[in-house]
Amino acid sequence: GENVEQHPSTLSVQEGDSAVIKCTYSDSASNYFPWYKQELGKGPQLIIDIRSNVGEKKDQRIAVTLNKTAKHFSLHITETQPEDSAVYFCAASAGAGGGADGLTFGKGTHLIIQP
Amino acid sequence: DGGITQSPKYLFRKEGQNVTLSCEQNLNHDAMYWYRQDPGQGLRLIYYSQIVNDFQKGDIAEGYSVSREKKESFPLTVTSAQKNPTAFYLCASRPPGNSPLHFGNGTRLTVT
Repeated sequence: GENVEQHPSTLSVQEGDSAVIKCTYSDSASNYFPWYKQELGKGPQLIIDIRSNVGEKKDQRIAVTLNKTAKHFSLHITETQPEDSAVYFCAASAGAGGGADGLTFGKGTHLIIQP
Repeated sequence: DGGITQSPKYLFRKEGQNVTLSCEQNLNHDAMYWYRQDPGQGLRLIYYSQIVNDFQKGDIAEGYSVSREKKESFPLTVTSAQKNPTAFYLCASRPPGNSPLHFGNGTRLTVT
C-alpha cells in the first residue's frame, strides 16, 4: 500500500518568513495530494490540493509543488502570520472512488510562528 | 450550513465501559470514516463505510464497532476490549471520486 513520509515533524519560523513542509510517497499510481491544517482541538481542514497533471498550484500565500518523478510534494507558506501556527498534514491518494485506501496521511508537522 | 457534527466534544468514561461517539453529516456524502489521532501520530483509520448498511475495517479496528443504518449517521462504539481507548476521534465524509475528506471537529475521549 501507499506510504507517506512527512518532514519536519516540528518547524519554527519567524513571523514574515517562509515555511516549507515536504512529503514523499511510495505509490507511483497516486494522483491526488491534499494538504490539511489542524488547529488545536479541531478537525483538519483542507487548505489546498493538487492533482498529478499539475506541477504547482497557488492560493494567495500558500502553494503546493509536485514532482512526480521523485515522488515528492511540498507545501510552501510565504509571509507567515501567527494564525498559520497549527499542525499540517499531507496525504496521497490513488483511489478513484470513496474507498478508505484512497487517502494515506503523513504524521503531521507542527508549525510554530515566532513573533 | 453543511457539515459534519461530532458529539460530544469531550467524553469521560470508566475503564470497562462501552461508549458510543456520534457522527452526523448533512453533506449527502455516501462515504464516511472514523480516524483515531494520538499525539505525534498521523491519522489512523478505524472503520469506513461507503454505503448504508455496509462498512469495512480499517487499520486499527480491534476493540471498535460501527453501524451505518442511515446515510447521515455513522456512530462509533469504543468497547471495553479496546486496550488504549483514550484518544482524539475524528469522523469524516467524502463525496464520490478522488476528492478530499471533510472532517468533523472531533471527540476527545478519556478513559480512566
